[in-house]
Amino acid sequence: GENVEQHPSTLSVQEGDSAVIKCTYSDSASNYFPWYKQELGKRPQLIIDIRSNVGEKKDQRIAVTLNKTAKHFSLHITETQPEDSAVYFCAASMKTGNQFYFGTGTSLTVIP
Amino acid sequence: DAGVIQSPRHEVTEMGQEVTLRCKPISGHDYLFWYRQTMMRGLELLIYFNNNVPIDDSGMPEDRFSAKMPNASFSTLKIQPSEPRDSAVYFCASSAGGTDTQYFGPGTRLTVL
Repeated sequence: GENVEQHPSTLSVQEGDSAVIKCTYSDSASNYFPWYKQELGKRPQLIIDIRSNVGEKKDQRIAVTLNKTAKHFSLHITETQPEDSAVYFCAASMKTGNQFYFGTGTSLTVIP
Repeated sequence: DAGVIQSPRHEVTEMGQEVTLRCKPISGHDYLFWYRQTMMRGLELLIYFNNNVPIDDSGMPEDRFSAKMPNASFSTLKIQPSEPRDSAVYFCASSAGGTDTQYFGPGTRLTVL
């Protein structure tokens, strides 16, 4: 099956700086890559996603890039704010509606 | 839309007792997923259903765990007998055929003493 690795496991940045979280996947058949944000005690919530026919996607301060050849994708958060502090999970999926393979999570702390 | 609904939100029980967790997916969604989250193991997929039929239960840890989906709007995850190592947050998620986004419920925090 698919194997998703996520780095780093913890990340601290100063408010206003950028944060980058990287994930790699093993199965070239994966074609959908969502990112979830989980605040302490809350449910994971989708923040952005990308499909394999797209190389980059942006939504305000958040962007995701995908390199299919290298089998890695990254989450970029610019102008970080304290409310960005959370655990972020990447995932890979092979086809519509089927299971997600989640990374192990990155705990992001934005220092005011 | 109320989103995915789970009950109870918190459950404290003693080892050996039966525990039943409940989930109501988003109306119209045809996929339902049960996850377990712990600090040590992260988010683990236990089982998922498509149109009420279990598709993959390879993540179910052992025979003590069972899941059912009797209709499109209700699913249960049962642990019998429960053990302290089952303590975790259990999430239910649903998605619609044709899209991939999974929407998570608020989770059930299970503590087995």
